[in-house]
Amino acid sequence: GAGVSQTPSNKVTEKGKYVELRCDPISGHTALYWYRQSLGQGPEFLIYFQGTGAADDSGLPNDRFFAVRPEGSVSTLKIQRTERGDSAVYLCASSPNPGSGGLTDTQYFGPGTRLTVL
Amino acid sequence: DAKTTQPTSMDCAEGRAANLPCNHSTISGNEYVYWYRQIHSQGPQYIIHGLKNNETNEMASLIITEDRKSSTLILPHATLRDTAVYYCIVRRGSNYKLTFGKGTLLTVNP
Repeated sequence: GAGVSQTPSNKVTEKGKYVELRCDPISGHTALYWYRQSLGQGPEFLIYFQGTGAADDSGLPNDRFFAVRPEGSVSTLKIQRTERGDSAVYLCASSPNPGSGGLTDTQYFGPGTRLTVL
Repeated sequence: DAKTTQPTSMDCAEGRAANLPCNHSTISGNEYVYWYRQIHSQGPQYIIHGLKNNETNEMASLIITEDRKSSTLILPHATLRDTAVYYCIVRRGSNYKLTFGKGTLLTVNP
């Protein structure tokens, strides 16, 4: 079946601009996660959705970052007034049954969106 | 979640077994060991996970020591396509976050 998809695959923007990154999770997965990966580092957690609500947004670096998942499926990560330090690969993942510890707790990742802020 | 320690890099000859170690000496009884890998320019890919017992699937085997303070991921017959960064992650079943370290860069050589 189809995996997690993310659009666009690459986004180049200028400092101060607003960007939106989209994630389409695997159909039927209730949980959705956003991570950010800087060059040479492992992915870092940003936010977790269970259904439509953000269950944990403690990883968002500041209030310029915001994410929504209005219908419990597609999610959009929004970044206002972008800064050069926001340049990274933004990864989305989904899982069917979070917190179970079993195979249905596995997170499946998309290919990521590479954001470059000039 | 417990912290993990992995070697920065390893090499393996194509066709041979790749054994990737991970230390997690502060692991708790309810924490699982997960392995993910990330091939260049792709998102992380789930490989395998376990709690206490050794596990095997079509991709790899996971050997967890009896005291659970370390584990080894085994790729039985490494191919060039297995070249990737391999992440060992310890996570409570109730915790939804994955905390990635820097992982081990495995290079499979022809």
